Amino acid sequence: DIVLTQSPGTLSLSPGERATLSCRASQSVTNNYLAWYQQKPGQAPSLLIYTASNRASGIPDRFSGSGSGTDFTLTISRLEPEDFAVYYCQQYGGSPPYTFGQGTRVEL
Amino acid sequence: QVQLQESGPGLVKPSETLSLTCIVSGASIDKSNYYWGWIRQPPGKGLEWIGHIYYRGTTDYNPSLNNRVTVSVDTSRNQFSLKLNSVTAADTAVYYCARPYGGYILSWGQGTLVTVSS
Repeated sequence: DIVLTQSPGTLSLSPGERATLSCRASQSVTNNYLAWYQQKPGQAPSLLIYTASNRASGIPDRFSGSGSGTDFTLTISRLEPEDFAVYYCQQYGGSPPYTFGQGTRVEL
Repeated sequence: QVQLQESGPGLVKPSETLSLTCIVSGASIDKSNYYWGWIRQPPGKGLEWIGHIYYRGTTDYNPSLNNRVTVSVDTSRNQFSLKLNSVTAADTAVYYCARPYGGYILSWGQGTLVTVSS
């Protein structure tokens, strides 16, 4: 199985600052099939990015994804108050099981 | 817009079978070229993909669950189900039903907490 390692575990920032989240895979992710999700307390995750860099419908352009192979990044250009949450990456390349990273908490 | 809603017992005894159902609205489960799946999240922890079923019946499961999982579709009720047998405390989690699209998750249910305890 592909293991995804997210860093840092926690990111302490202020509104208006830039957030850079990393997701590293134990082996190359097929076709860069890597997604990012945001999860707020008590809620289900919601899709932000798919195939490494494609924003899901309705996602603001301050969210961007980049990377390929084994190294991927989610960038939030200017943090809004509603962006403080936990972020997960997920790989879905090749055969299941599809795996998730352990999450990065973006906190105030 | 597809909406998903989990239902089932919130408490299951160790060694018994966890059974959950996901009611689908906004799409016909047997007429859509969709996958339907389950993901879980132990309290305070990360996400684990459990498995999914293609609308025509093909399934894929997480091998880490040691063949304890069955996902099935009930087209007459427009819902799909999860069964996880021989549960232990390690299976305590929030269980989400989900609609994968090519592997990433487009739609999520709100989640239901299932506690394994005697």
